[in-house]
Amino acid sequence: AAGVIQSPRHLIKEKRETATLKCYPIPRHDTVYWYQQGPGQDPQFLISFYEKMQSDKGSIPDRFSAQQFSDYHSELNMSSLELGDSALYFCASSLVASGRSNEQFFGPGTRLTVL
Amino acid sequence: GQSLEQPSEVTAVEGAIVQINCTYQTSGFYGLSWYQQHDGGAPTFLSYNALDGLEETGRFSSFLSRSDSYGYLLLQELQMKDSASYFCAVRDDKIIFGKGTRLHILP
Repeated sequence: AAGVIQSPRHLIKEKRETATLKCYPIPRHDTVYWYQQGPGQDPQFLISFYEKMQSDKGSIPDRFSAQQFSDYHSELNMSSLELGDSALYFCASSLVASGRSNEQFFGPGTRLTVL
Repeated sequence: GQSLEQPSEVTAVEGAIVQINCTYQTSGFYGLSWYQQHDGGAPTFLSYNALDGLEETGRFSSFLSRSDSYGYLLLQELQMKDSASYFCAVRDDKIIFGKGTRLHILP
C-alpha cells in the first residue's frame, strides 16, 4: 500500500538559509499535518491542511510557512534557519471524511541539520 | 492550559503485560490516540478511543474514561520488538502529543 512520501530524507543547511520540505500524502487522503520532533522530544504539531485549506495551526514559527497544492502535496518552507530548527520533520496524512481523522499515517521524516 | 501526562519510562519482562497510562487536560476532546515510535523511525498509529471503554487490536488494547480524563494502552505477551516509545495524543482544535513513554523490555 502507498505510504506518505517525504523529501528530502536528509537536509543540511547553514544558519540564515532557507529550506523547503516536501510531502506527498497517501492517495485520496484529504488532510496533511506537519510536525517537528527534536531529539528525545514528542512531536510538536506545526500546521495542518484540509482539502488544501489551512485547518489548524500549532507552534509554527513565523519564519515558517506551508501550503498544500492542487495535487494535495504539501510543502513546508523554512526561512532564516536557526540552530534550534535542527530536528526531524514529519508529515502525516489522514482521511477526515471517513471519520478517522485521529488515525494519522506518518511519513519517514526529513532530518534537518542546521550548522 | 492543555497537557497530557504519561510516565517517561516503563520496564517490563518479555512475555509479560504492561500498562501505560495517560491523563489529559484539554479544552476540547475528540478522542485519544496511541502511537508507537521506534528510535529513528516515524510514529505508527496503534489505536483510537472516542468513547468510554476498551478497544482491542491483537496484543494491544486501549481504554478510555472521559469522565476521568484518563486512558491507558495495554500491551500483552510482550516481545522484544515492542521496545519503543509510546505516545498518547489528544485532538481538540489541535493535535497534542504526550511526552512519550519509553518502554524497555528485559529478556
